[in-house]
Amino acid sequence: DGGITQSPKYLFRKEGQNVTLSCEQNLNHDAMYWYRQDPGQGLRLIYYSQIVNDFQKGDIAEGYSVSREKKESFPLTVTSAQKNPTAFYLCASSADNLVVYGYTFGSGTRLTVV
Amino acid sequence: QKEVEQNSGPLSVPEGAIASLNCTYSDRGSQSFFWYRQYSGKSPELIMSIYSNGDKEDGRFTAQLNKASQYVSLLIRDSQPSDSATYLCAVTVTNAGKSTFGDGTTLTVKP
Repeated sequence: DGGITQSPKYLFRKEGQNVTLSCEQNLNHDAMYWYRQDPGQGLRLIYYSQIVNDFQKGDIAEGYSVSREKKESFPLTVTSAQKNPTAFYLCASSADNLVVYGYTFGSGTRLTVV
Repeated sequence: QKEVEQNSGPLSVPEGAIASLNCTYSDRGSQSFFWYRQYSGKSPELIMSIYSNGDKEDGRFTAQLNKASQYVSLLIRDSQPSDSATYLCAVTVTNAGKSTFGDGTTLTVKP
């Protein structure tokens, strides 16, 4: 079945540590997105990519980095510069670069700082 | 002013009633409008999309769009306990290549 796979489901980060969240899709979608969701809040855009080897900052990119070396993969690194990384991270893809038809989401990664 | 605003909720309705969820947006260049359903602890799921003024029906769900008033709504008829979730409104501005989300409205349907 086509879809988006995020791993791990739960992740614990120590202070000062970088961690990488995986996102893989087999939908053949060009555009991929990373959103962050805090409790009781909506989704805020971190980074997005509409084509391999290119990506754009979203509204809250500071403390995060991404790469897009393959169409299927869009990993997100949460760096030590992100001071409050505890949140639910959602990866999404869109069948078209203009997001006319909406997103398909992965199941999410819940990151906690310990 | 937020780009996309939703009723803060929570909203509680009895089983079988009509639930009405509202959303306003600020950018008149918006072209695509979506409603996502998010169960507690899960990821959002697209349930409705609407692009032109008027109503769009899909089963018990009806999306309504009024571009002049910059207003989108979702009606859920014959509400069921399984409809209890947070509903997220999202908007895509023409050529933006990304959607902006509201903070969501949590709906509880009581048996």
